[in-house]
Amino acid sequence: DAMVIQNPRYQVTQFGKPVTLSCSQTLNHNVMYWYQQKSSQAPKLLFHYYDKDFNNEADTPDNFQSRRPNTSFCFLDIRSPGLGDAAMYLCATSPGVDSRTDTQYFGPGTRLTVL
Amino acid sequence: GQNIDQPTEMTATEGAIVQINCTYQTSGFNGLFWYQQHAGEAPTFLSYNVLDGLEEKGRFSSFLSRSKGYSYLLLKELQMKDSASYLCAAMDSNYQLIWGAGTKLIIKP
Repeated sequence: DAMVIQNPRYQVTQFGKPVTLSCSQTLNHNVMYWYQQKSSQAPKLLFHYYDKDFNNEADTPDNFQSRRPNTSFCFLDIRSPGLGDAAMYLCATSPGVDSRTDTQYFGPGTRLTVL
Repeated sequence: GQNIDQPTEMTATEGAIVQINCTYQTSGFNGLFWYQQHAGEAPTFLSYNVLDGLEEKGRFSSFLSRSKGYSYLLLKELQMKDSASYLCAAMDSNYQLIWGAGTKLIIKP
C-alpha cells in the first residue's frame, strides 16, 4: 500500500541533545511537509518542499533544520531540543500537481519527549 | 490576519447527528478541508469543498458558504469510533493551509 512512514513513532531525547526524525513516502508525491503539533492545538507548519525547493516558514526557529535528499525521504533535525519542543511531529505529502485540490496525506507522527 | 474558528469541544449521543461548525478568514481562498484526528494519531482526510453547497460522503457531509466564510461537517448515525478531533483547514491564496485547533467530539452511549 502506498503510504507515508515516519520513524521512530516515539523518540525520547535529552535537553540539548540533537535528534533527527525521518519520513519516507511511497506515494511519489512532489510536496513534503513537516508540522509540529502540541496537545489540543492546530498543526503548525515548519517547512515544506516542492520537489527540492525548500520553503521555510517565517516563524520556524533556527533550531529546526530539514533535508530532502531525494523524492522519497525527508528529515527533520532539531539541533538543540528544549522542553518546549516536546510535541508530535507530523510529516505530510501532497501530489503538488494541482495546487487547488492539493490534499495532504499524513504519516502516523513521531511523538518527541525531551527530558 | 488569517484565522480559523471552531468549537473546542462537543458532546453527542451514539446514533444521533452532530454538526461541527467552522468559520474562516483568509487572504484569498482556494478551498476548505476537514480532517479527522484520533487521539495520539495523525490527521486523516475527510473532505474538500471549494464550491458553495453540500458534499455528501456516506455518513459524513460537508457544507461550504464562501460568502459567509463558513463551513460545517455533519456526522450522521454516530458511532463510538467517531470520537475524535475534527480539524478544519482553509487554503489561502498562496495555497497554504490555515489550520483550526480542532473540535474534540465526545460520543456517549
